[in-house]
Amino acid sequence: AQSVTQLGSHVSVSEGALVLLRCNYSSSVPPYLFWYVQYPNQGLQLLLKYTTGATLVKGINGFEAEFKKSETSFHLTKPSAHMSDAAEYFCAVKVTGTASKLTFGTGTRLQVTL
Amino acid sequence: DSGVTQTPKHLITATGQRVTLRCSPRSGDLSVYWYQQSLDQGLQFLIQYYNGEERAKGNILERFSAQQFPDLHSELNLSSLELGDSALYFCASSVGWGGQETQYFGPGTRLLVL
Repeated sequence: AQSVTQLGSHVSVSEGALVLLRCNYSSSVPPYLFWYVQYPNQGLQLLLKYTTGATLVKGINGFEAEFKKSETSFHLTKPSAHMSDAAEYFCAVKVTGTASKLTFGTGTRLQVTL
Repeated sequence: DSGVTQTPKHLITATGQRVTLRCSPRSGDLSVYWYQQSLDQGLQFLIQYYNGEERAKGNILERFSAQQFPDLHSELNLSSLELGDSALYFCASSVGWGGQETQYFGPGTRLLVL
């Protein structure tokens, strides 16, 4: 069965600093990987996804993630944090088959300070 | 706005009661997924329907049931409610398969069982 581990339940960065949110996955077959963001009192919004092909994936709001098979990682980065990036971020994995459910990590709450 | 709607937004009820949560998928999406988000369990997949038929089950309790109607909207029924059922319930819809599939989440229904 697939699983996702997000290192760090809380991450705090200064405005303008690099954002790095870590995600490692476990899957016996090639996975599809996703990052979702959840703003307070809102649903989940897709930031980006990796399916096949280019391992560096660009998403919305300046975020990107790199799929590294050798490290089983899919870390999310943004060069310069903005106050509006404060939210909870979820990494998720999906494997094809009968069930296309998403398996989520426990989430990382990003705080952006002045 | 993802295009997925969920009603009601908030629900407060008592233990032992039964409630129904409703989800309308994005236009054209045939798949509907239900997820539960709680503090202790995180985001967990409950059940998936595809074009009216149950496709996959996750960690869904026997007290919970769901269905998808011919117009593709879905309802999640929760009965004999317990305090521990208090959570945010998300619906997601999607179209396509495998790497082409993306799940779009609704804003959720926050259930509080007193």
